[in-house]
Amino acid sequence: QKEVEQNSGPLSVPEGAIASLNCTYSDRVSQSFFWYRQYSGKSPELIMSIYSNGDKEDGRFTAQLNKASQYVSLLIRDSQPSDSATYLCAPYSGYALNFGKGTSLLVTP
Amino acid sequence: DGGITQSPKYLFRKEGQNVTLSCEQNLNHDAMYWYRQDPGQGLRLIYYSQIVNDFQKGDIAEGYSVSREKKESFPLTVTSAQKNPTAFYLCASSMGLSDTIYFGEGSWLTVV
Repeated sequence: QKEVEQNSGPLSVPEGAIASLNCTYSDRVSQSFFWYRQYSGKSPELIMSIYSNGDKEDGRFTAQLNKASQYVSLLIRDSQPSDSATYLCAPYSGYALNFGKGTSLLVTP
Repeated sequence: DGGITQSPKYLFRKEGQNVTLSCEQNLNHDAMYWYRQDPGQGLRLIYYSQIVNDFQKGDIAEGYSVSREKKESFPLTVTSAQKNPTAFYLCASSMGLSDTIYFGEGSWLTVV
């Protein structure tokens, strides 16, 4: 079984702080990685993807990938209460996305 | 508007009944997927289809069946053989395998 591990949280950060979400994966052949945000009772929505080692920035979000360590992370700068949600890490494993259980983020005003 | 439409949004099923969840996309995507999500859990792959008239089992296919007769449509049938079907079901699509996956709004199935 190809595993994706995320700290379930909740991760609580004050408004305006940086939230750091981490993910490790077991499938060494994974080449593309996705972060989704899921609000309670809703479907996941794509935040960003990353394919190469290093950092990728998109607005307040930065994804970081280290394939040698099988580690991917998501940083959220200037966190807002509207960022409170569950964040799902999903590496591609073969034919489809393999999802972690997600990290619950709570941004407090 | 382009997107993925799932119906019904809420469905109640009596034990022993089969139910079919609809999924339609107008994104011209070749690949389509069905995932299941249980409370506090990640998404688990039920079935996926790369092209019309072809589909493959995912990690938890037992008790489910699908068809892919049209590019736009990928219905999921939850059969009576599925012992614990109460869950949130998500249909998704992508241009091809390994491309970005987009999700429909989901269908909640409850067994009563």
